[in-house]
Amino acid sequence: RKEVEQDPGPFNVPEGATVAFNCTYSNSASQSFFWYRQDCRKEPKLLMSVYSSGNEDGRFTAQLNRASQYISLLIRDSKLSDSATYLCVVNSGGYQKVTFGTGTKLQVIP
Amino acid sequence: GAVVSQHPSRVICKSGTSVKIECRSLDFQATTMFWYRQFPKQSLMLMATSNEGSKATYEQGVEKDKFLINHASLTLSTLTVTSAHPEDSSFYICSAWTIYGYTFGSGTRLTVV
Repeated sequence: RKEVEQDPGPFNVPEGATVAFNCTYSNSASQSFFWYRQDCRKEPKLLMSVYSSGNEDGRFTAQLNRASQYISLLIRDSKLSDSATYLCVVNSGGYQKVTFGTGTKLQVIP
Repeated sequence: GAVVSQHPSRVICKSGTSVKIECRSLDFQATTMFWYRQFPKQSLMLMATSNEGSKATYEQGVEKDKFLINHASLTLSTLTVTSAHPEDSSFYICSAWTIYGYTFGSGTRLTVV
């Protein structure tokens, strides 16, 4: 089983739709979690950290389910500019033990 | 804040030549820099961790003699791909841990012909 798994997609959704991605992790000792966004041929950029209590930033909501070992990202009212690959990042101890998921590709269609 | 500047952004080189990629932390000191490689449609894979003033730590399967890492100062880490071959063509990207999370350089797209 991979340390971090994501559905690669692509998720093709119309503008204005709500879309959700999950990311599962295998190491129960994982400590911190992040969602990054990567545009084609560009570097990943931090979208948001994922807190145990869940957190929201505008149209984006991130949640953590430790019991089932997954994190989720919900995007409401999708915009064309949301089209990108969303990477799940899991930290398993110290800032050096970081694993990236393969990413979920989102395509928002007009 | 916390900007990592990476150069060059794109390089095309002949097989057998060496290519140096630089990553500079512009407004902070990076004692540790992470070097990743990303092949098309694949995830970022950690190649090595560079530590200022000491030897780099390489991940399993990464040839230390082929991918030379130097971290001589708190603001500069370099990755040199020696005797490059077409299979080394990839997107190379550096990253440093900051108070803002992992900050990435803009990446270097290497094409070996």
